[in-house]
Amino acid sequence: AQSVTQLDSQVPVFEEAPVELRCNYSSSVSVYLFWYVQYPNQGLQLLLKYLSGSTLVKGINGFEAEFNKSQTSFHLRKPSVHISDTAEYFCAVSRYSSASKIIFGSGTRLSIRP
Amino acid sequence: GAVVSQHPSWVICKSGTSVKIECRSLDFQATTMFWYRQFPKKSLMLMATSNEGSKATYEQGVEKDKFLINHASLTLSTLTVTSAHPEDSSFYICSALIGLAEPYEQYFGPGTRLTVT
Repeated sequence: AQSVTQLDSQVPVFEEAPVELRCNYSSSVSVYLFWYVQYPNQGLQLLLKYLSGSTLVKGINGFEAEFNKSQTSFHLRKPSVHISDTAEYFCAVSRYSSASKIIFGSGTRLSIRP
Repeated sequence: GAVVSQHPSWVICKSGTSVKIECRSLDFQATTMFWYRQFPKKSLMLMATSNEGSKATYEQGVEKDKFLINHASLTLSTLTVTSAHPEDSSFYICSALIGLAEPYEQYFGPGTRLTVT
């Protein structure tokens, strides 16, 4: 079975500073990888996804992530954060041919300080 | 992009009563929908896979008689929490699958906050 680990439950960052949210996964088969964002009292919004091809994936709101198969990681990065980026971020994995059943990590709370 | 709605967005009910939550795909047909539960400050836990025209598939540990799922049409799945208790209070999120083959796209609804008093 696959699983997702987000080691950082909270990441405080100053506005306009860079940020990296870490995600590691485990799976014995090929997977799809996702990052979702959840604003307070709202549903999930897809930031970006890795399906195949280029290991560097660019998403919305200036975020990007890099798939590293050897380290089984899919870290999320943004070069300069904004107050509006304050939210909960979830890394997720879906196994090929699994009818897209998604397994979520525990989430990382990104708080931006002015 | 595709839109998934949930109704109601929030609901308060008394202990012992049942409450129904609707999940609709507004501009596409979805043969498969998923139901998730999210506890405060926690991640999403997959509860069940809802398939149009057939019985839902529940994840281990989820009581199927407690959480009734009905996927009556290609655009509507419902989750009924029966005989609700305060421990059922949670944020329930559905998602709908779109696509004819891998990789499928999954779109999430805005969630329903249930409070049982």
